[in-house]
Amino acid sequence: ETGVTQTPRHLVMGMTNKKSLKCEQHLGHNAMYWYKQSAKKPLELMFVYSLEERVENNSVPSRFSPECPNSSHLFLHLHTLQPEDSALYLCASSQGTGGNQPQHFGDGTRLSIL
Amino acid sequence: GENVEQHPSTLSVQEGDSAVIKCTYSDSASNYFPWYKQELGKRPQLIIDIRSNVGEKKDQRIAVTLNKTAKHFSLHITETQPEDSAVYFCAASIGVGGFKTIFGAGTRLFVKA
Repeated sequence: ETGVTQTPRHLVMGMTNKKSLKCEQHLGHNAMYWYKQSAKKPLELMFVYSLEERVENNSVPSRFSPECPNSSHLFLHLHTLQPEDSALYLCASSQGTGGNQPQHFGDGTRLSIL
Repeated sequence: GENVEQHPSTLSVQEGDSAVIKCTYSDSASNYFPWYKQELGKRPQLIIDIRSNVGEKKDQRIAVTLNKTAKHFSLHITETQPEDSAVYFCAASIGVGGFKTIFGAGTRLFVKA
C-alpha cells in the first residue's frame, strides 16, 4: 500500500542542523497526523490537521514545527533537536473532516540525533 | 490525565490457541476504539475498530468487545497463526471532534508454531 508516503525513510542529523520531514497522502483524506514512536513507549500524538487547519497540538516542544500547505501534504520542520528526539516519526491520514476515523499510516522516518 | 492502559505487554501462545489483549481508558467521553497491528519494521495497520454504540464486533478470526460502563475493551484472536505475531496497539479517540487519539503501550504477541 502506498497511500501515505513519507520521506526520507532515514535521517541522521546533528543537534544544530535544520531538516524537514515530508508526508504525502494519495487517499483523498482531509485529516493528517504526526506521531512519535519511541522504543517501549506508546505512540505519541504530536499534531493533527483537518482541512489544513491545526486541530490538535499536543504540548510539543517548539523545535518541532508542523506545516500543512494542503490536505495532501504535511511537513515537520526540525531545528536544534535533542538526543531524546531520536525516534520513528509516523505520519497518518484519515478521511472526512471529523475525527473518530481509521488512520492510515506511512512507513515512518527513522530519525537519529547525534 | 487521559491515558489508555494495555495488558499484557508480552503474550506468547501456541499456534491454534486464542489470544486476548485488554485495554482500559480513562476518558468516559471516548467513543471510538481502533486496534492496530504493527509487524517488525512496518507501519501500524488497522485490523478492527468499534464505536461506543456497539458492544461487540467480529471479523473472521478477530473480535473486539467493549464495556462502556467499566471503560474497557478487548481484542480476541482465535486460531492464532505464526503470521499473527506482531505488536498490537489499542487506542481511544477523545477530545472535540475525536481527532485526539491516545494509544496503549502495545502488546507483543508471539505465536509459536
